[in-house]
Amino acid sequence: EAQVTQNPRYLITVTGKKLTVTCSQNMNHEYMSWYRQDPGLGLRQIYYSMNVEVTDKGDVPEGYKVSRKEKRNFPLILESPSPNQTSLYFCASSFSVGNTGELFFGEGSRLTVL
Amino acid sequence: GQNIDQPTEMTATEGAIVQINCTYQTSGFNGLFWYQQHAGEAPTFLSYNVLDGLEEKGRFSSFLSRSKGYSYLLLKELQMKDSASYLCAVRVAGGYNKLIFGAGTRLAVHP
Repeated sequence: EAQVTQNPRYLITVTGKKLTVTCSQNMNHEYMSWYRQDPGLGLRQIYYSMNVEVTDKGDVPEGYKVSRKEKRNFPLILESPSPNQTSLYFCASSFSVGNTGELFFGEGSRLTVL
Repeated sequence: GQNIDQPTEMTATEGAIVQINCTYQTSGFNGLFWYQQHAGEAPTFLSYNVLDGLEEKGRFSSFLSRSKGYSYLLLKELQMKDSASYLCAVRVAGGYNKLIFGAGTRLAVHP
């Protein structure tokens, strides 16, 4: 089954404790991206990757890091989480622009930082 | 700047037709998407418009007017399962798949 898998789905942590949210896709997509979703603000892009070893900042990259060592994986790293990073996070993937480029989303990771 | 506007909430009756509007002002335009998102779930792709006009897909249709910066999603023969948020997103010009999302319209379908 074609899917994007995120882990963990739910996490409560404390300020400053490093955490990683994993994302994996099995559709051989070149493009992967992380979004956060907050009430009234819609989905905002954190980081994206066009392909292996190619990453770039989105609209709200502060406090986050990413890496793309393999095509299927795109982990999101919070080195020192803060309460303003409490949010619902979605990983998404697609083929590169050339077709519609529709995004396939993971099921989301709800993060609470105390 | 980038701005996408859509109504926050709408209500409709089962079996009826509802139109969800989206207006956008973006730096460049390379297609408009509609996604459906049920509460607590991931967004799923509904439609894509890049040229002016109407795209029909079963009970759902999407319209685009690039000159007016306007799109709508039309849902016919509403069912209870259509209760969800509907996200309008514009792909802005550039060398990558960058989407700007609206805040979403929460649709409640009542019996």
